[in-house]
Amino acid sequence: QKEVEQDPGPLSVPEGAIVSLNCTYSNSAFQYFMWYRQYSRKGPELLMYTYSSGNKEDGRFTAQVDKSSKYISLFIRDSQPSDSATYLCAFDRGSTLGRLYFGRGTQLTVWP
Amino acid sequence: GAVVSQHPSRVICKSGTSVKIECRSLDFQATTMFWYRQFPKQSLMLMATSNEGSKATYEQGVEKDKFLINHASLTLSTLTVTSAHPEDSSFYICSATREGHGYTFGSGTRLTVV
Repeated sequence: QKEVEQDPGPLSVPEGAIVSLNCTYSNSAFQYFMWYRQYSRKGPELLMYTYSSGNKEDGRFTAQVDKSSKYISLFIRDSQPSDSATYLCAFDRGSTLGRLYFGRGTQLTVWP
Repeated sequence: GAVVSQHPSRVICKSGTSVKIECRSLDFQATTMFWYRQFPKQSLMLMATSNEGSKATYEQGVEKDKFLINHASLTLSTLTVTSAHPEDSSFYICSATREGHGYTFGSGTRLTVV
């Protein structure tokens, strides 16, 4: 079983739609949960960061973590064409200066 | 915020030659840098972890003699792909961090070996 599972999509939605992106994980040692956005041929940029179960909201973005189910989600409200990118979930075990574990990314296209 | 500069952004080289990629933390001292490789529509695969002043730790299956990593200072790490072959063509991304801070990624280097 892979440590991180993420549906690669592609996902195509109209502008204004609510987008739901998800990842499952199997490693109970993961303590920090992140979502990165990656535009084509660019490095990932951090969107959301959380370390506890529940919801965290930042503007149009909401990150949700369910540790009991080992499931995390990212919701995008009022999606815009500029949101078109690949979204990667990432996990951190919390060890000092340790590596991140990434999902394979979901490619999202928001069409006007 | 923290900025990591990666150079070059794109390089084309002939098979058998070596290519050096630089990763610089511009406004902070990075005690640890990570090098990732990403194939199209695939996730970032960690190649190695580099700590300043010590030898890099390579992930299983990554040839340390082929992918030379140097982390000579707290702001600079380099990845040299030696004797590159077409199968080494990929997108290489560095990430820098220091304790108490998050991970900042470079903008990536697209390597094409012809």
